[in-house]
Amino acid sequence: AQKITQTQPGMFVQEKEAVTLDCTYDTSDPSYGLFWYKQPSSGEMIFLIYQGSYDQQNATEGRYSLNFQKARKSANLVISASQLGDSAMYFCAMREPDSGYSTLTFGKGTMLLVSP
Amino acid sequence: NAGVTQTPKFQVLKTGQSMTLQCAQDMNHEYMSWYRQDPGMGLRLIHYSVGAGITDQGEVPNGYNVSRSTTEDFPLRLLSAAPSQTSVYFCASSYSPGSSYEQYFGPGTRLTVT
Repeated sequence: AQKITQTQPGMFVQEKEAVTLDCTYDTSDPSYGLFWYKQPSSGEMIFLIYQGSYDQQNATEGRYSLNFQKARKSANLVISASQLGDSAMYFCAMREPDSGYSTLTFGKGTMLLVSP
Repeated sequence: NAGVTQTPKFQVLKTGQSMTLQCAQDMNHEYMSWYRQDPGMGLRLIHYSVGAGITDQGEVPNGYNVSRSTTEDFPLRLLSAAPSQTSVYFCASSYSPGSSYEQYFGPGTRLTVT
């Protein structure tokens, strides 16, 4: 099984500042996919961004970008211009080859708090 | 499309009781899975299915059963509830494995076992 490590239990950022949430992964599979999900206090899981191991460029989706460093096995989420609504738990996840890539292995998450 | 639906939203059980958590999706996804979320643990895989009639165990399957008789439904059964099964349960589905298709999650079921 693969492993996802999120070392920051909590992060604080002021509104309009950028913030980076760390994610490192461990896999022997040359083909893999990395995901970030947001979980606000209401509890739902919201897909944010995807990075494939063979993608040549870092993924971007609006204010979200993924700083993908393959050699370091890191896939950090960068949120630019933080907003109060960004306060949530953020999970990094990876496709799991043991299930034929049909499921995800998750990190333990990082709680982000955005202050005015 | 309703997406992935889960019922009930909240449930309180006594130790030893059984119940079924319902999950349905209307996106014709072949792949469905159940996760549990505990504080500080992230989401952990309980069981998953790659199609009707095909299921397999995940990381934490003990105490749970699943079956998949249709593409749309993937119920999770707790055979004899224990306090250790107090958790938030998420059902998820996806169109295709090994690709950029994300997993779509249901709203979750918060289960308390006393």
